[in-house]
Amino acid sequence: DQQVKQNSPSLSVQEGRISILNCDYTNSMFDYFLWYKKYPAEGPTFLISISSIKDKNEDGRFTVFLNKSAKHLSLHIVPSQPGDSAVYFCAGGTEYGNKLVFGAGTILRVKS
Amino acid sequence: DAGVTQSPTHLIKTRGQQVTLRCSPKSGHDTVSWYQQALGQGPQFIFQYYEEEERQRGNFPDRFSGHQFPNYSSELNVNALLLGDSALYLCASSLVRGHYPEQFFGPGTRLTVL
Repeated sequence: DQQVKQNSPSLSVQEGRISILNCDYTNSMFDYFLWYKKYPAEGPTFLISISSIKDKNEDGRFTVFLNKSAKHLSLHIVPSQPGDSAVYFCAGGTEYGNKLVFGAGTILRVKS
Repeated sequence: DAGVTQSPTHLIKTRGQQVTLRCSPKSGHDTVSWYQQALGQGPQFIFQYYEEEERQRGNFPDRFSGHQFPNYSSELNVNALLLGDSALYLCASSLVRGHYPEQFFGPGTRLTVL
């Protein structure tokens, strides 16, 4: 039962351009969503979150959009930098501190 | 302020053996969650410990068990290892019903079962 899906295994973007990573979910009970970034040999690092009652949250170069009717969220990175090259995971959760349900991840490559 | 730490970094075992992985949460956190990340997949929730008891459990067999100590650190035990248990095991710490949603992850323990 894949409640969170990231359908694009990989994405390649030129430095300075926008990166858009997508995520779909099926569980309407999620109260919030998060994006994590993961480099090889490191644990996932939290990037940004969004409550299910919001449709947008912005933090510096990172913006997350939530479309509840479509059960879809996206992470925009502008401008993309080579250091952004990593695996990006979206995750859903209910009640802060409870388990997170992750997607399979999208590999982002930013070319200089 | 130390973040989440895990030990060991790497581990090689053979089928049928038992393994224990360790995790120390971020300072001030009271909850530890364990996740299994197989190759090419996202982390999958195993279980969560709070107040030294299992609070939530994912879809993993009883071969996976855990423990939380009074200092909030935690262990993950896996018995009768199978080849399919080879994965990166991640520990995450958080606050139960805290004021922010994110969980903080350690670097993981890479388990290889031969």
